[in-house]
Amino acid sequence: AQKVTQAQTEISVVEKEDVTLDCVYETRDTTYYLFWYKQPPSGELVFLIRRNSFDEQNEISGRYSWNFQKSTSSFNFTITASQVVDSAVYFCALKDAGNMLTFGGGTRLMVKP
Amino acid sequence: SAVISQKPSRDICQRGTSLTIQCQVDSQVTMMFWYRQQPGQSLTLIATANQGSEATYESGFVIDKFPISRPNLTFSTLTVSNMSPEDSSIYLCSAEGALDPDTQYFGPGTRLTVL
Repeated sequence: AQKVTQAQTEISVVEKEDVTLDCVYETRDTTYYLFWYKQPPSGELVFLIRRNSFDEQNEISGRYSWNFQKSTSSFNFTITASQVVDSAVYFCALKDAGNMLTFGGGTRLMVKP
Repeated sequence: SAVISQKPSRDICQRGTSLTIQCQVDSQVTMMFWYRQQPGQSLTLIATANQGSEATYESGFVIDKFPISRPNLTFSTLTVSNMSPEDSSIYLCSAEGALDPDTQYFGPGTRLTVL
Protein backbone atom coordinates (compact mmCIF):
# COMPACT_ATOMS: atom_id res chain seq x y z
CA ALA A 1 0.00 0.00 0.00
CA GLN A 2 1.14 3.50 -0.70
CA LYS A 3 2.10 5.95 2.00
CA VAL A 4 3.27 9.56 2.15
CA THR A 5 5.08 10.97 5.16
CA GLN A 6 5.66 14.62 5.90
CA ALA A 7 7.65 14.51 9.10
CA GLN A 8 7.53 18.25 9.70
CA THR A 9 4.12 19.13 11.08
CA GLU A 10 4.92 22.80 11.55
CA ILE A 11 7.74 25.10 10.43
CA SER A 12 8.20 28.72 11.39
CA VAL A 13 10.60 31.01 9.53
CA VAL A 14 11.23 34.70 9.22
CA GLU A 15 10.54 36.39 5.92
CA LYS A 16 13.31 36.06 3.32
CA GLU A 17 14.62 32.84 4.81
CA ASP A 18 14.78 29.74 2.63
CA VAL A 19 12.76 26.76 3.79
CA THR A 20 12.57 23.12 2.68
CA LEU A 21 9.53 20.93 3.19
CA ASP A 22 10.29 17.23 3.27
CA CYS A 23 8.23 14.46 1.71
CA VAL A 24 9.00 10.74 1.76
CA TYR A 25 6.80 8.21 -0.01
CA GLU A 26 6.31 4.47 -0.26
CA THR A 27 4.91 2.55 -3.19
CA ARG A 28 5.47 -0.80 -4.87
CA ASP A 29 4.65 0.57 -8.29
CA THR A 30 7.30 1.64 -10.76
CA THR A 31 4.97 4.15 -12.40
CA TYR A 32 3.52 6.81 -10.18
CA TYR A 33 3.01 10.54 -9.83
CA LEU A 34 3.99 12.88 -7.02
CA PHE A 35 2.28 16.17 -6.26
CA TRP A 36 2.52 19.21 -4.06
CA TYR A 37 -0.56 21.22 -3.10
CA LYS A 38 -0.86 24.44 -1.11
CA GLN A 39 -3.78 25.12 1.23
CA PRO A 40 -3.91 28.75 2.37
CA PRO A 41 -6.08 29.77 5.35
CA SER A 42 -9.07 30.24 3.03
CA GLY A 43 -9.15 26.46 2.63
CA GLU A 44 -8.92 25.80 -1.08
CA LEU A 45 -6.34 23.32 -2.29
CA VAL A 46 -4.05 24.78 -4.95
CA PHE A 47 -2.12 22.49 -7.27
CA LEU A 48 1.57 23.39 -7.45
CA ILE A 49 3.39 20.65 -9.30
CA ARG A 50 3.16 17.11 -10.65
CA ARG A 51 6.16 14.90 -11.27
CA ASN A 52 6.10 11.43 -12.80
CA SER A 53 8.35 8.64 -11.59
CA PHE A 54 10.44 8.59 -14.74
CA ASP A 55 11.42 12.22 -14.58
CA GLU A 56 13.98 12.92 -11.88
CA GLN A 57 14.94 16.33 -13.15
CA ASN A 58 14.66 18.99 -10.52
CA GLU A 59 12.24 21.77 -11.32
CA ILE A 60 12.31 25.46 -10.54
CA SER A 61 9.39 27.84 -10.80
CA GLY A 62 10.20 31.30 -9.54
CA ARG A 63 10.96 31.03 -5.83
CA TYR A 64 9.78 27.40 -5.74
CA SER A 65 11.96 24.39 -6.49
CA TRP A 66 11.47 20.68 -6.17
CA ASN A 67 14.04 17.93 -5.64
CA PHE A 68 12.91 14.44 -6.63
CA GLN A 69 15.21 11.57 -5.62
CA LYS A 70 14.00 8.04 -6.32
CA SER A 71 16.96 6.54 -4.49
CA THR A 72 15.66 7.94 -1.21
CA SER A 73 11.96 8.02 -2.20
CA SER A 74 11.83 11.71 -1.50
CA PHE A 75 10.23 14.69 -3.19
CA ASN A 76 11.25 17.79 -1.28
CA PHE A 77 9.99 21.31 -1.84
CA THR A 78 12.08 24.42 -1.26
CA ILE A 79 10.83 27.99 -1.07
CA THR A 80 13.56 30.56 -1.56
CA ALA A 81 13.30 33.98 0.08
CA SER A 82 10.03 33.13 1.78
CA GLN A 83 7.24 35.68 2.01
CA VAL A 84 4.32 36.08 4.38
CA VAL A 85 1.96 35.03 1.58
CA ASP A 86 3.68 31.64 1.56
CA SER A 87 2.09 30.90 4.92
CA ALA A 88 -0.14 27.88 4.36
CA VAL A 89 -0.39 24.15 4.84
CA TYR A 90 1.48 22.24 2.16
CA PHE A 91 0.54 18.71 1.20
CA CYS A 92 2.60 16.16 -0.65
CA ALA A 93 0.61 13.45 -2.43
CA LEU A 94 1.20 10.23 -4.36
CA LYS A 95 -0.85 8.67 -7.13
CA ASP A 96 0.14 5.19 -8.21
CA ALA A 97 -1.36 2.44 -10.35
CA GLY A 98 -4.43 2.31 -8.14
CA ASN A 99 -5.23 5.78 -9.43
CA MET A 100 -6.08 7.07 -5.97
CA LEU A 101 -4.41 10.11 -4.48
CA THR A 102 -2.77 9.50 -1.11
CA PHE A 103 -1.93 12.60 0.91
CA GLY A 104 0.72 13.17 3.50
CA GLY A 105 -0.22 14.70 6.82
CA GLY A 106 0.70 18.19 5.69
CA THR A 107 3.26 20.74 6.87
CA ARG A 108 2.05 24.04 8.26
CA LEU A 109 4.43 26.81 7.21
CA MET A 110 4.33 30.10 9.08
CA VAL A 111 6.34 32.95 7.62
CA LYS A 112 6.73 35.83 10.02
CA PRO A 113 7.45 39.37 8.87
CA SER B 1 -6.92 23.02 -15.74
CA ALA B 2 -10.58 22.66 -14.77
CA VAL B 3 -12.27 25.37 -12.73
CA ILE B 4 -14.34 23.88 -9.93
CA SER B 5 -16.94 25.63 -7.82
CA GLN B 6 -18.74 24.42 -4.72
CA LYS B 7 -21.89 25.54 -2.98
CA PRO B 8 -22.33 26.42 -0.18
CA SER B 9 -18.91 27.71 0.78
CA ARG B 10 -19.76 27.28 4.44
CA ASP B 11 -22.71 26.37 6.63
CA ILE B 12 -23.66 25.91 10.24
CA CYS B 13 -26.16 23.11 10.77
CA GLN B 14 -28.05 21.53 13.61
CA ARG B 15 -27.47 17.98 14.76
CA GLY B 16 -29.71 15.46 13.00
CA THR B 17 -30.21 17.49 9.83
CA SER B 18 -28.75 16.88 6.36
CA LEU B 19 -26.81 19.13 4.01
CA THR B 20 -26.25 18.73 0.28
CA ILE B 21 -23.08 20.16 -1.22
CA GLN B 22 -22.90 20.88 -4.92
CA CYS B 23 -19.81 20.67 -7.11
CA GLN B 24 -19.74 22.15 -10.61
CA VAL B 25 -16.87 21.84 -13.10
CA ASP B 26 -16.50 24.17 -16.06
CA SER B 27 -15.58 21.38 -18.48
CA GLN B 28 -16.32 17.71 -18.92
CA VAL B 29 -14.19 15.58 -16.66
CA THR B 30 -13.59 11.88 -16.43
CA MET B 31 -13.36 11.46 -12.69
CA MET B 32 -14.86 13.34 -9.73
CA PHE B 33 -14.03 12.72 -6.10
CA TRP B 34 -15.20 13.81 -2.65
CA TYR B 35 -12.84 14.31 0.28
CA ARG B 36 -13.25 15.14 3.94
CA GLN B 37 -10.73 17.17 5.88
CA GLN B 38 -11.32 17.15 9.61
CA PRO B 39 -9.94 20.09 11.63
CA GLY B 40 -6.15 20.13 11.56
CA GLN B 41 -5.99 16.90 9.56
CA SER B 42 -5.09 15.78 6.08
CA LEU B 43 -7.55 14.88 3.35
CA THR B 44 -9.39 11.57 3.36
CA LEU B 45 -11.14 10.25 0.28
CA ILE B 46 -14.82 9.60 0.87
CA ALA B 47 -15.77 8.25 -2.54
CA THR B 48 -15.37 8.41 -6.29
CA ALA B 49 -18.46 9.84 -7.96
CA ASN B 50 -19.26 7.75 -11.01
CA GLN B 51 -21.33 9.23 -13.80
CA GLY B 52 -24.55 7.32 -14.26
CA SER B 53 -23.89 4.72 -11.58
CA GLU B 54 -23.45 4.37 -7.84
CA ALA B 55 -20.44 5.99 -6.22
CA THR B 56 -17.48 3.91 -5.07
CA TYR B 57 -16.97 4.41 -1.34
CA GLU B 58 -13.76 4.06 0.60
CA SER B 59 -13.48 2.02 3.76
CA GLY B 60 -15.26 3.71 6.63
CA PHE B 61 -17.74 5.63 4.49
CA VAL B 62 -21.21 4.37 3.57
CA ILE B 63 -23.86 5.45 1.13
CA ASP B 64 -26.53 5.95 3.79
CA LYS B 65 -24.41 8.56 5.51
CA PHE B 66 -22.87 10.18 2.42
CA PRO B 67 -25.14 9.70 -0.59
CA ILE B 68 -23.54 10.99 -3.78
CA SER B 69 -25.00 11.79 -7.16
CA ARG B 70 -23.34 12.47 -10.47
CA PRO B 71 -25.98 12.99 -13.12
CA ASN B 72 -23.57 14.20 -15.82
CA LEU B 73 -19.91 14.82 -16.60
CA THR B 74 -19.71 18.24 -14.95
CA PHE B 75 -21.79 18.07 -11.78
CA SER B 76 -21.91 16.10 -8.55
CA THR B 77 -23.52 16.38 -5.14
CA LEU B 78 -22.55 15.03 -1.73
CA THR B 79 -25.11 14.85 1.06
CA VAL B 80 -24.02 14.62 4.67
CA SER B 81 -26.95 12.92 6.38
CA ASN B 82 -28.14 12.90 9.98
CA MET B 83 -25.25 15.13 10.98
CA SER B 84 -23.44 15.09 14.29
CA PRO B 85 -20.69 17.44 15.57
CA GLU B 86 -18.12 14.83 14.42
CA ASP B 87 -19.11 15.67 10.84
CA SER B 88 -17.72 19.19 11.24
CA SER B 89 -15.08 19.33 8.51
CA ILE B 90 -14.14 20.85 5.22
CA TYR B 91 -15.59 18.86 2.34
CA LEU B 92 -13.78 19.17 -0.96
CA CYS B 93 -14.61 17.91 -4.39
CA SER B 94 -11.97 17.31 -7.02
CA ALA B 95 -11.86 16.35 -10.67
CA GLU B 96 -9.54 14.92 -13.26
CA GLY B 97 -10.05 16.39 -16.70
CA ALA B 98 -10.07 14.70 -20.04
CA LEU B 99 -7.15 16.87 -21.14
CA ASP B 100 -5.12 16.29 -17.95
CA PRO B 101 -6.17 12.91 -16.59
CA ASP B 102 -3.32 12.55 -14.14
CA THR B 103 -3.86 15.64 -12.01
CA GLN B 104 -6.71 16.29 -9.57
CA TYR B 105 -7.86 19.86 -9.26
CA PHE B 106 -9.86 20.86 -6.24
CA GLY B 107 -12.82 23.02 -5.53
CA PRO B 108 -12.68 25.74 -2.86
CA GLY B 109 -14.24 23.47 -0.25
CA THR B 110 -17.33 23.65 1.94
CA ARG B 111 -16.66 24.43 5.58
CA LEU B 112 -19.32 22.66 7.65
CA THR B 113 -19.95 23.21 11.34
CA VAL B 114 -22.46 21.01 13.12
CA LEU B 115 -23.82 22.21 16.46
